[in-house]
Amino acid sequence: AQSVAQPEDQVNVAEGNPLTVKCTYSVSGNPYLFWYVQYPNRGLQFLLKYITGDNLVKGSYGFEAEFNKSQTSFHLKKPSALVSDSALYFCAVRVYGNNRLAFGKGNQVVVIP
Amino acid sequence: GAGVSQSPSNKVTEKGKDVELRCDPISGHTALYWYRQRLGQGLEFLIYFQGNSAPDKSGLPSDRFSAERTGESVSTLTIQRTQQEDSAVYLCASRFSGTENQPQHFGDGTRLSIL
Repeated sequence: AQSVAQPEDQVNVAEGNPLTVKCTYSVSGNPYLFWYVQYPNRGLQFLLKYITGDNLVKGSYGFEAEFNKSQTSFHLKKPSALVSDSALYFCAVRVYGNNRLAFGKGNQVVVIP
Repeated sequence: GAGVSQSPSNKVTEKGKDVELRCDPISGHTALYWYRQRLGQGLEFLIYFQGNSAPDKSGLPSDRFSAERTGESVSTLTIQRTQQEDSAVYLCASRFSGTENQPQHFGDGTRLSIL
């Protein structure tokens, strides 16, 4: 089985401050981890992924995420949040050979001007 | 190139009617997924197609739901005898499955409202 937990419902952050969105996962085997962002009335947009290699991965729009195997986490980060980063963020995981992604419930990020 | 295209973008229908939702995947993407997203909630997997293999239908919530895909092209999701609890956004995604590390690419969804 594979699953993802995004423990916070909403993350509020002031514009210009660092942004962190938390994700922990549970899988049997090595995980492939993904972050997506969803703006109102739109589909999910791919931000970044971890497959193998460096634990710190960089993605679109200045976002990055750190894979931590011992803590089974893949937190999304951005050094300086913008108002335009306000959206719904989803973490997802799958393992090799399993073509289905398990999505977290999503985190609403609100960046306050 | 074009992304995943879904139609209609919005659909309002009366309870008990049948609806058909369409998804055009990205060209060359052999994998296609349907998800349901209820208001304020995460994604619920419905069905997965991979090339000419038998689809994974394990997420379909009832026998009122069905989906088809012709080869590696268009897919349709059909909901028969719609109920109010079917109201949701239905998202389609496609993926190039030639390598393991490719992400899914999503359409903007069909917003289905059952009156």
